Amino acid sequence: SQQGEEDPQALSIQEGENATMNCSYKTSINNLQWYRQNSGRGLVHLILIRSNEREKHSGRLRVTLDTSKKSSSLLITASRAADTASYFCATGNAGNNRKLIWGLGTSLAVNP
Amino acid sequence: DTAVSQTPKYLVTQMGNDKSIKCEQNLGHDTMYWYKQDSKKFLKIMFSYNNKELIINETVPNRFSPKSPDKAHLNLHINSLELGDSAVYFCASSLSGTMAEQYFGPGTRLTVT
Repeated sequence: SQQGEEDPQALSIQEGENATMNCSYKTSINNLQWYRQNSGRGLVHLILIRSNEREKHSGRLRVTLDTSKKSSSLLITASRAADTASYFCATGNAGNNRKLIWGLGTSLAVNP
Repeated sequence: DTAVSQTPKYLVTQMGNDKSIKCEQNLGHDTMYWYKQDSKKFLKIMFSYNNKELIINETVPNRFSPKSPDKAHLNLHINSLELGDSAVYFCASSLSGTMAEQYFGPGTRLTVT
């Protein structure tokens, strides 16, 4: 079953603006990962945050994790048209070491 | 160098036919996956192999049969194709465990007419 839920489902912004996407999950996790999928392509791993971490940065990406609220956010700063893609969160469950649980994705459109 | 490759990229076939999709990874990973992504971009795990052993077998019709001849290859054979099988199928690989990032292939777009 899919437990990750991203919101918003779709987001449209102007170049240069920041984009924030959220992910909520239901069970305990040992890590949460964010992936990007460009149209017609496979998913690309962006960042992994462990359950004992609260924030992680990678370039223009900032990920936060709040295990008490069972939620994570992905912030893309100074967005570019090339950031247009779908973004998925996936969780690794502490009790299930064999598969990631995927969210439904947020479709981000960055307008030039 | 292609990390995870799939063939074919596009597959158009008629209902009732049998088809195969092939996947290869050159990353030295020991775990490989098949995912199905529908038109709404919902990503569903189908199968996973670790060192050629089937470790994940989700609720998938038995018309779908994966086969892993070695750690670097994972193929998917589909019998008696149905309209509902139309989707994009992704192969992925990783090191063992859910702490590892997964590397995805480019996908195979299957259209059943």
